[in-house]
Amino acid sequence: SYELTQPPSVSVSPGQTARITCSGDALPKQYAYWYQQKPGQAPVLVIYKDSERPSGIPERFSGSSSGTTVTLTISGVQAEDEADYYCQSADSSGTYHWVFGGGTKLTVL
Amino acid sequence: EVQLVESGGGLVQPGRSLRLSCAASGFTFDDYAMHWVRQAPGKGLEWVSGISWNSGSIGYADSVKGRFTISRDNAKNSLYLQMNSLRAEDTALYYCAKGPEYCSGGSCYYYGMDVWGQGTTVTVSS
Repeated sequence: SYELTQPPSVSVSPGQTARITCSGDALPKQYAYWYQQKPGQAPVLVIYKDSERPSGIPERFSGSSSGTTVTLTISGVQAEDEADYYCQSADSSGTYHWVFGGGTKLTVL
Repeated sequence: EVQLVESGGGLVQPGRSLRLSCAASGFTFDDYAMHWVRQAPGKGLEWVSGISWNSGSIGYADSVKGRFTISRDNAKNSLYLQMNSLRAEDTALYYCAKGPEYCSGGSCYYYGMDVWGQGTTVTVSS
């Protein structure tokens, strides 16, 4: 079955730039989405269609794509950005099948 | 206000069934795909099942295929998940989510799962 691979954890100091990667064979053909989840809360969409930012999401959140890897970049990380981040995409096999990456815990030191 | 409210969770014995519901409000329900996503205690998000705006496309995770059935009633702005032959590993918080695709006038657009409910807890245990 199709899988998306993320690093389990990323750590940065406040004000620095955090980059979280997500790899999957179908990513050149399918859009990627990114979600932020804080403890005890439902996920929140932070990036859609690889690099688009929903209204209300701070400009420091951005997304990019290159081949089979997509990247969520958080510039000028703030303490409130500490959370779990998940990428999501669809299988390119033609079936209606979606998948999440395993999640990345962002720690703000 | 755009809102999704899940219900129907609870404690159930292995092998039994449960039906989850998701009531939608504040948006044109029949323009959007809808999905169920679950999260086991201390674990990551797992896509469970999805259904397109007109029920023309339906998909399931391998872990639930053949046991779970997703459906929607656009007249009632509601999404459902019939869960049969439940197992201990189905224990999780089940979220209903709107999106990622929006279809109208013959075209579809992708905006991500931009609205989530607060979830309903399913515990499978004897």
